[in-house]
Amino acid sequence: QVQLVESGGGVVQPGGSLRLSCAASGFTFSNYAMHWVRQAPGKGLEWVSLVSYDGNNEYYADSVKGRFTISRDNSKNALYLQMDSLKPEDTAVYYCARGQQWLIKNWGQGTLVTVSS
Amino acid sequence: EIVLTQSPGTLSLSPGQRATLSCRASQSVGRDYLAWYQQKPGQAPRLLIYDASTRATGIPDRFSGSGSGTDFTLNINRLEPEDFAVYYCQQYATSPLTFGGGTKVEIK
Repeated sequence: QVQLVESGGGVVQPGGSLRLSCAASGFTFSNYAMHWVRQAPGKGLEWVSLVSYDGNNEYYADSVKGRFTISRDNSKNALYLQMDSLKPEDTAVYYCARGQQWLIKNWGQGTLVTVSS
Repeated sequence: EIVLTQSPGTLSLSPGQRATLSCRASQSVGRDYLAWYQQKPGQAPRLLIYDASTRATGIPDRFSGSGSGTDFTLNINRLEPEDFAVYYCQQYATSPLTFGGGTKVEIK
């Protein structure tokens, strides 16, 4: 079955960088768009970014545009999120998710990112 | 950006009752690209409904979605104990994709 396992979360200072990874299995990774969605502690869901199945198209929420970069390596069945210039308001659980076109169908269990001095 | 407003914020019901959740969009959601997700504490969200009214794989038929344009509804017939959770609507018609603020269905 579809498995998505995020890693790379942790504590980082404001202005710092972090790279999240998502290992995918149980499906043909290169056929599907992939998303990152986040959830601040005790808050609702916020879509962060989407990359097309071939990596040629990327979309971002305004709140992260210019600071975050989504990418994928189809040879490794892996999705990434490079997060730069981190702010305290970026503190959240970050979920990797499989898309069907732009629909979010399957979710990983998430990795916690805490931005604090 | 399409803003989604969910109501009510909290719904207090008893097992066996029917829940009706609303999601209103600030502009028309093209091709009814509207989904509903369920999230339980400490868990990732789970897709329930997509394309406004299509149940995802394995979702019981007590869950049903309806609506089009700007007004959408999720109904849960005969609430089971495992249905008490937070529910989010989300549009995937245009970027940025957006979620509603959520409706918590709690045990009365």
